[in-house]
Amino acid sequence: DADVTQTPRNRITKTGKRIMLECSQTKGHDRMYWYRQDPGLGLRLIYYSFDVKDINKGEISDGYSVSRQAQAKFSLSLESAIPNQTALYFCATSDKGVSNQPQHFGDGTRLSIL
Amino acid sequence: QKEVEQDPGPLSVPEGAIVSLNCTYSNSAFQYFMWYRQYSRKGPELLMYTYSSGNKEDGRFTAQVDKSSKYISLFIRDSQPSDSATYLCAMSATGGTSYGKLTFGQGTILTVHP
Repeated sequence: DADVTQTPRNRITKTGKRIMLECSQTKGHDRMYWYRQDPGLGLRLIYYSFDVKDINKGEISDGYSVSRQAQAKFSLSLESAIPNQTALYFCATSDKGVSNQPQHFGDGTRLSIL
Repeated sequence: QKEVEQDPGPLSVPEGAIVSLNCTYSNSAFQYFMWYRQYSRKGPELLMYTYSSGNKEDGRFTAQVDKSSKYISLFIRDSQPSDSATYLCAMSATGGTSYGKLTFGQGTILTVHP
């Protein structure tokens, strides 16, 4: 089984709908992240959480919200989806430590908003 | 100007060639440097992780960091068709609000043909 699991893997929906993307991990990491990937733009950070009670905005948080339900679960919501939120979405985790730890990614959710 | 610039390619080489992938950056606070490999329909997987300047070798892969020039490279020796993927550079600063956050390049698409 994958260490970082994202559901669903693919989703097609309509403008204005509320969507939730879910991420769960078995790595025991405290830190979790949500990114979106667009062609030519690389990965951009949406939100991150260093522990269950800590939520922080990333580079492009407008239009998104998150919930850290447990150490192992971090969900991303689009309250009212719009077409320019069509993208690949990735969840990542990292361990805490005195130095910056590398991040480990799930296999992504391909989201299309019509 | 983006903090991290990476030539998106695409780069096409014959099997057995030496591949050079590069990124430049503008933020002098970056201390941790990573290379990720991403296969189609999969999440990025960590390939190399280095701290500060210098070289690191792992099998056919060598990562170089030149902080004075704000330039990092990944070399792949004896390239194989299985190396065909998108390669992403990523980096992070230490301390303050940047702690634990990665900034990615746009990714370079590499194809190694038999």
